[in-house]
Amino acid sequence: EADIYQTPRYLVIGTGKKITLECSQTMGHDKMYWYQQDPGMELHLIHYSYGVNSTEKGDLSSESTVSRIRTEHFPLTLESARPSHTSQYLCASTGQGGSGNTIYFGEGSWLTVV
Amino acid sequence: GNSVTQMEGPVTLSEEAFLTINCTYTATGYPSLFWYVQYPGEGLQLLLKATKADDKGSNKGFEATYRKETTSFHLEKGSVQVSDSAVYFCALKDNYGQNFVFGPGTRLSVLP
Repeated sequence: EADIYQTPRYLVIGTGKKITLECSQTMGHDKMYWYQQDPGMELHLIHYSYGVNSTEKGDLSSESTVSRIRTEHFPLTLESARPSHTSQYLCASTGQGGSGNTIYFGEGSWLTVV
Repeated sequence: GNSVTQMEGPVTLSEEAFLTINCTYTATGYPSLFWYVQYPGEGLQLLLKATKADDKGSNKGFEATYRKETTSFHLEKGSVQVSDSAVYFCALKDNYGQNFVFGPGTRLSVLP
């Protein structure tokens, strides 16, 4: 079982609020990812990081930002939430070498902006 | 670029029916192939994988064979259960890129 944790699991906030979704992994993985997914639908990569102080935008444009100050921690921030940001956000990670050949996911953070 | 195509869902089966979910891919070289499963309200979990041609991945009664000649990795199970109801994602990782490519997912509903 993967050791990757996301908080909060569920969040309802008002428009214009700032929110941070937390993601931590205890596997020492270098690579971490954020995906956006509508329920049961396609995954869209919005951010990824190959290590500390490395962050890149993914295939889907997103108004969110990320940081990678510590290997184990990869938070995602929305400065001003809007209803269009309502979605599930999945954090994931992979390691080096053989362990880099499997991607592990957290349980997801469900965000609703009202 | 790399891509993964899956059969469209939803797929609805009766309990104990045979399941096939088709997956084909486009990639350079010899990618590793995966099936992930997502139960309602959860993240994705690795179901099985295969890292080279003709390898068969298997887990929990599911299996898939890496077919390079047809660039396919179809998921099969001989007798599905209600608890198998979920969304199934086919994915690949090539030997050159750093990121994974996922298919659009196929929703499976198994009726008692």
